[in-house]
Amino acid sequence: SYELTQPLSVSVALGQTARITCGGNNIGSKNVHWYQQKPGQAPVLVIYRDSNRPSGIPERFSGSNSGNTATLTISRAQAGDEADYYCQVWDSSTSYVFGTGTKVTVL
Amino acid sequence: QVQLQESGPGLVKPSQTLSLTCTVSGGSISSGDYYWSWIRQPPGKGLEWIGYIYYSGSTYYNPSLKSRVTISVDTSKNQFSLKLSSVTAADTAVYYCARGGITMIEPFDYWGQGTLVTVSS
Repeated sequence: SYELTQPLSVSVALGQTARITCGGNNIGSKNVHWYQQKPGQAPVLVIYRDSNRPSGIPERFSGSNSGNTATLTISRAQAGDEADYYCQVWDSSTSYVFGTGTKVTVL
Repeated sequence: QVQLQESGPGLVKPSQTLSLTCTVSGGSISSGDYYWSWIRQPPGKGLEWIGYIYYSGSTYYNPSLKSRVTISVDTSKNQFSLKLSSVTAADTAVYYCARGGITMIEPFDYWGQGTLVTVSS
């Protein structure tokens, strides 16, 4: 089965850049989506198909995908960016797969 | 603006069947452009996709849950439903309904707020 691995936690200083990785076998060949989930709330799509931002998502959020790693980058981090972040792909043998999740803390 | 809302019992006894309904507003399930999914999240843990249904009634389930899952649709009410049989404490989770694109490479762009289902006697 296909698996996506994320770091358990990432810390970033206020105003600095956070990078959250999502590792998977040849993930660069897949379309990766990223969700932000704040405590007690449903996930919100922040990046789709590797690097596209839905309407209403700040330009500070960006994504890339190559080889075995996809990356979500949060520039100029704000306190409101503190949340759990999940990557997600479709795999033909496993169906929809979510990453293990990363807790982002803004210091 | 599409909205999804889950409803159903918050407490289910072990070995019984969990039943939830998702009501869609602001868009039609019958539009044919989307798959309608159930996703769950055990307390403090990550997300797990359960299955989806198309407006025609065709379904696709997570292989790990397939033997216990049934998803159905009622287009006249713009609703779709989840049944999970023979539940155990491991099925305790927040259950979300969500909309996904008809090509599976598309993301889940709209989610319900989620409903906590606890399995306990």
